[in-house]
Amino acid sequence: GENVEQHPSTLSVQEGDSAVIKCTYSDSASNYFPWYKQELGKRPQLIIDIRSNVGEKKDQRIAVTLNKTAKHFSLHITETQPEDSAVYFCAGQEVQGAQKLVFGQGTRLTINP
Amino acid sequence: NAGVMQNPRHLVRRRGQEARLRCSPMKGHSHVYWYRQLPEEGLKFMVYLQKENIIDESGMPKERFSAEFPKEGPSILRIQQVVRGDSAAYFCASSRTTGSVETQYFGPGTRLLVL
Repeated sequence: GENVEQHPSTLSVQEGDSAVIKCTYSDSASNYFPWYKQELGKRPQLIIDIRSNVGEKKDQRIAVTLNKTAKHFSLHITETQPEDSAVYFCAGQEVQGAQKLVFGQGTRLTINP
Repeated sequence: NAGVMQNPRHLVRRRGQEARLRCSPMKGHSHVYWYRQLPEEGLKFMVYLQKENIIDESGMPKERFSAEFPKEGPSILRIQQVVRGDSAAYFCASSRTTGSVETQYFGPGTRLLVL
């Protein structure tokens, strides 16, 4: 089955700087990679996703890149703001069977004012 | 368009009691996933259901845990004889289909505390 590794586990950046979170996956057949943001005590919220037929996707200050050959994908947040502080999870979706999401371990992002 | 609904939001049980967690998928969604999140950890898949069918329960402990998604009504995750290690946040997610890539949307979760 799929295995997703995420790093770093914690990340602290100054407000206005960029933040990058990286994930690797093991199953070359996986074709869908969402990113979720989870604030304390809240549900995971989808912030951006990418399918394997594209290499990059951008939505305002958030972008995701995918390298299928190397089996890794990254989340980029530019011009960070205090409200970006949260735990971010990457995931890969298995293509066989239940097509469940396999999550990374999470990155706690702190934006320092 | 109402999102995924879960109740209760918080549940306190004593060891040995039963916990019942309910999940109503988004309108038009017929696929339900349950995930468990232990404190300070990521989400782990437990079970995937369609109406009246358990499709994949490979992530669910074989004892004390069961799940159903009846023809009418919400999906239910049932934990019998709870132990302290069951304390976690339980999230359900729903999607429209799995024939192709479909986004999963999460409910607010049920936070179970076992005393």
